[in-house]
Formats: sequence, structure tokens, C-alpha cells
Amino acid sequence: DTGVSQDPRHKITKRGQNVTFRCDPISEHNRLYWYRQTLGQGPEFLTYFQNEAQLEKSRLLSDRFSAERPKGSFSTLEIQRTEQGDSAMYLCASMGSPNEKLFFGSGTQLSVL
Amino acid sequence: AQTVTQSQPEMSVQEAETVTLSCTYDTSESNYYLFWYKQPPSRQMILVIRQEAYKQQNATENRFSVNFQKAAKSFSLKISDSQLGDTAMYFCAFQLMEYGNKLVFGAGTILRVKS
Repeated sequence: DTGVSQDPRHKITKRGQNVTFRCDPISEHNRLYWYRQTLGQGPEFLTYFQNEAQLEKSRLLSDRFSAERPKGSFSTLEIQRTEQGDSAMYLCASMGSPNEKLFFGSGTQLSVL
Repeated sequence: AQTVTQSQPEMSVQEAETVTLSCTYDTSESNYYLFWYKQPPSRQMILVIRQEAYKQQNATENRFSVNFQKAAKSFSLKISDSQLGDTAMYFCAFQLMEYGNKLVFGAGTILRVKS
């Protein structure tokens, strides 16, 4: 068990480009969460999956954002037509069962120029 | 809606001494968890301690302990025998036992341990 893995660690892109991040949760973890963290702030909830079903989306998740977890294992978060305001750390976390501990990945740092 | 407030943006402590970080929260729910997470410069989010709201006994993990006051909705973290490696951003977080278990975080407190 290697923990929650996120790829890439860093991404620099130009405004208007599309980016995609990947998260591999801890094996057999049913729940997967995405959070966004801007500098000096706490993480903010974006969305979560129970297996392959996306059960909740924050209003922070505009229509330019889409997340998938097609087979209930890894997940991807795509941002279309990136804006400078999208610059942040995107954190993924997983949980084995409801009310168990949440384990975080190291995050993907996105910089939009 | 659930909110978490950390009123101390920055704290500092001398090595080997004790420091307390404050946290208050607001909720109308009765079943929830409270957490303290540590985020060092590497930005990896590390769980420090967890408290179940239905337990009156304060959680303890080695040098870390909490003072949980449910009626006052207060959840402070005490770090004893502070070490240089404790330097990090500390986040207080709240988690409902229902509604997807998503975490709500405070804005964080930067802790600097000085030698």
C-alpha cells in the first residue's frame, strides 16, 4: 500500500488551455474526494465519488471542471479553458468506508500563466 | 452550514515548550468528527489527531492532545515538548458522520518552532 498517488506533482499551463490531473486512491478505498487549496487557505471541497458514482459537487465546481472515476478506481479531474484564478493545489483523498480516516495525496500544484 | 474558525494566523514556540492552537466550529448536527491536520512545506496533509464528538474523553496521540468542549464548540490542540519538525501549517477540520463525510477546514495556523 503506497498511499494516495497524484500525477503530475506540478503543472504549468497557459490561460485557455485544458489540463487533466489523475488520482490513484489507496487500493480498495471506495470513497474518493477532490479538494482545492489556494495559498494560505484551507482546502475546499470540490466533489466526491462513492465507487464510480459522483455523489456531490460543490458550487465551486464550475462547468469548466469535470471529474470522473470510470471504474471506481483512479479518478481524473479536468479543467477546460483554464483561467488564472484556477491556480491552486488540487488535493485528492480517499477513504475505505464511511466514517473511516481520510488519507490525502501530495497534490497537484497548478499554475496558470 | 458548517464552519470552522481558527483565530490565530501565526504562532511561535520555543523548542521543548508547549503550545496550544485554537479552533471553534459551528454546526447544528450532533454526530461528527473533529480533526487536526498538519501540512509541512512539502504540502502533504498529515492527520495529527481525530476526536469523535460522542466521546467525552479528549483524544491523545503522543505529544499531541486536544481539549474538546462540545457545548462551547471548541477544539484546541496542545503540542507538548515542541520539536523543530512540528513547524508547519495546522488545520482544524470538521466532518459530519453523514452527508458524504466531506471535511470542512479552517483557514489554518502557521506554527513556527524556534531553536
